[in-house]
Amino acid sequence: GAGVSQSPSNKVTEKGKDVELRCDPISGHTALYWYRQSLGQGLEFLIYFQGNSAPDKSGLPSDRFSAERTGGSVSTLTIQRTQQEDSAVYLCASSSQTGFYNEQFFGPGTRLTVL
Amino acid sequence: KQEVTQIPAALSVPEGENLVLNCSFTDSAIYNLQWFRQDPGKGLTSLLLIQSSQREQTSGRLNASLDKSSGRSTLYIAASQPGDSATYLCAVRRDDKIIFGKGTRLHILP
Repeated sequence: GAGVSQSPSNKVTEKGKDVELRCDPISGHTALYWYRQSLGQGLEFLIYFQGNSAPDKSGLPSDRFSAERTGGSVSTLTIQRTQQEDSAVYLCASSSQTGFYNEQFFGPGTRLTVL
Repeated sequence: KQEVTQIPAALSVPEGENLVLNCSFTDSAIYNLQWFRQDPGKGLTSLLLIQSSQREQTSGRLNASLDKSSGRSTLYIAASQPGDSATYLCAVRRDDKIIFGKGTRLHILP
């Protein structure tokens, strides 16, 4: 079956603009995660959705970052007033249940470049 | 605060050799540990998931071990092939968060 998909695959934007990144999880997966990977850095957890709600938003780096999920499926990560330090690959993952023991499946990522 | 360290950061080995990648974590109270591979320009592919109650998992030429008490995991790759060249990441899970190491860049020399 189809895996996790993300769009766009690449996004180049100017500093100060808003961007919206999209994640389509595997059908039926109830848990959805956002991460980012900056150049030379490890993967950083951003936010986790259980259904449509986000129990843990502590990973969001600033109030310019927000995320939502509707219908228990598609999620969007929005970055307002982008800064150059926001440049990174943003990865989305989903898992079949919200329990702690379930394997996560990752999308290909969105490479964001802020000029 | 949980920290995950992977050593070495990069490794080059001739094709056919067996190799071990290391992962250590500072807080042993984890739910599970997962090994991934990441190919350039692509997302992560899950390789092995070890639950906290397990000691090891095997898949084909891959074997991952977990020693929670010492905060260590190893990924053993047997009979390495050029197609194994990638970055290998380990990640530990506690509560709703997953903490990743920075990865080991593996290059298998033909």
